[in-house]
Parts: sequence; C-alpha cells; structure tokens
Amino acid sequence: QQQVKQSPQSLIVQKGGISIINCAYENTAFDYFPWYQQFPGKGPALLIAIRPDVSEKKEGRFTISFNKSAKQFSLHIMDSQPGDSATYFCAANGGAEAAGNKLTFGGGTRVLVKP
Amino acid sequence: EPEVTQTPSHQVTQMGQEVILRCVPISNHLYFYWYRQILGQKVEFLVSFYNNEISEKSEIFDDQFSVERPDGSNFTLKIRSTKLEDSAMYFCASSEGFGSVANTGELFFGEGSRLTVL
Repeated sequence: QQQVKQSPQSLIVQKGGISIINCAYENTAFDYFPWYQQFPGKGPALLIAIRPDVSEKKEGRFTISFNKSAKQFSLHIMDSQPGDSATYFCAANGGAEAAGNKLTFGGGTRVLVKP
Repeated sequence: EPEVTQTPSHQVTQMGQEVILRCVPISNHLYFYWYRQILGQKVEFLVSFYNNEISEKSEIFDDQFSVERPDGSNFTLKIRSTKLEDSAMYFCASSEGFGSVANTGELFFGEGSRLTVL
C-alpha cells in the first residue's frame, strides 16, 4: 500500500516535444506529491509539487496533473529541451506528523531529449 | 545558495567493516533524513531524524544502522558491519519543516556518498 508505481521506465522525445510521465498510488493518506529531477552523479532536486486540493499545477514548462479519484498523477514537460534529459522521480508523502516526512519514491523515468 | 554537503563522495570498504557517512544539512533546517539508491533503482527512505531522535525508520534500517547528530552541524549515518548488499548511493537530505503540512517541507538532497562493499 505504500508503493508508488511510475511509468514508463524510459522515454525518448524529440526537442520541442512533450514528455509525459505517469504515477499511481494506493495509500489514500498521501497528501503531498512532489516530482524530483536527478542528473547523473547528483542528488534528486525538487522540480514541482502538488497537493490534492488542486487538479493541476504549472510552473514554466512543467505541469502536474492530479486525479484524486483515480489516485494518479502525471508530469508533463512541454517543449522538451536537451537540458531536460535526466531521471525523473515521482514521490508521495502524507499522513500524521509522526510519519516523519518520509517520501515514497516511484521507480524513476529516464528521459532523453534528442536535439 | 545553501546546500547539503556529504562526505566522502565515494568509499570502498571490505565486508564486515564499519562505515560512517557524514552530512552537513542546511543550517536552519530541523529535519534530517537518509535515503539510499541502489544502482539503477529507486530512491528508498532509510530514516528521519528530528529533535535529536529518530522520528521514523524503514525496515531497511536495521540494527546495523545508526544515526547521530554529534554536534550542531553534522549528521552521520553509521553502518556497523557492512554487507555486500549495502553497496549503494546514500543521500542525506534536510528540510526546514514538515512536507505534507507546511510549504517549508521541501527536502533538499546532497550529492550522495557512493558506498562500495567488496
């Protein structure tokens, strides 16, 4: 029940195209859904995050769509650029304060943007 | 920009040896974490630490693991007797607040310490 399932595992997109990554969760106590971007040799860095009181959040070329009833959320990268080539992780967190702010990560999606 | 720093960047050790991984969290942060990432796999939670005690730990964080904040700046992860399967990238993270409630809950990750157990 703590799992977050992410797909696809990898994605190749042409420069200017749209990258779409999907995640699904089971635990209805989750109430915070961040996306992290990780470049090789680096730690994950927060890209964008959403809470379930909204269905969409946009920051620049990055948009999270959230479907609470389906327990799914997705990341859309518009106008993908070669610099976006990285591994993207969805994550989820939530529940009581005693949960210790533990993030449950999805399996990751390796995105390659071809020039 | 403030950042989480980790040392060493890479450590090679023999099975059964003790390893200490060190982290300096962002100075005004109150919550500290260790995560690990086995090569090519997802990032997994190990432990969270607040107010000088563990607030949550995963099933991975067994008796071989311990954490400590020995002074006002460092946060360490100790593996008492390393096993081959402990080989992974270990990430330290810190946050100002608590993520699911306040906007200050963003986790900032360090660049990781790669542990290789031979």
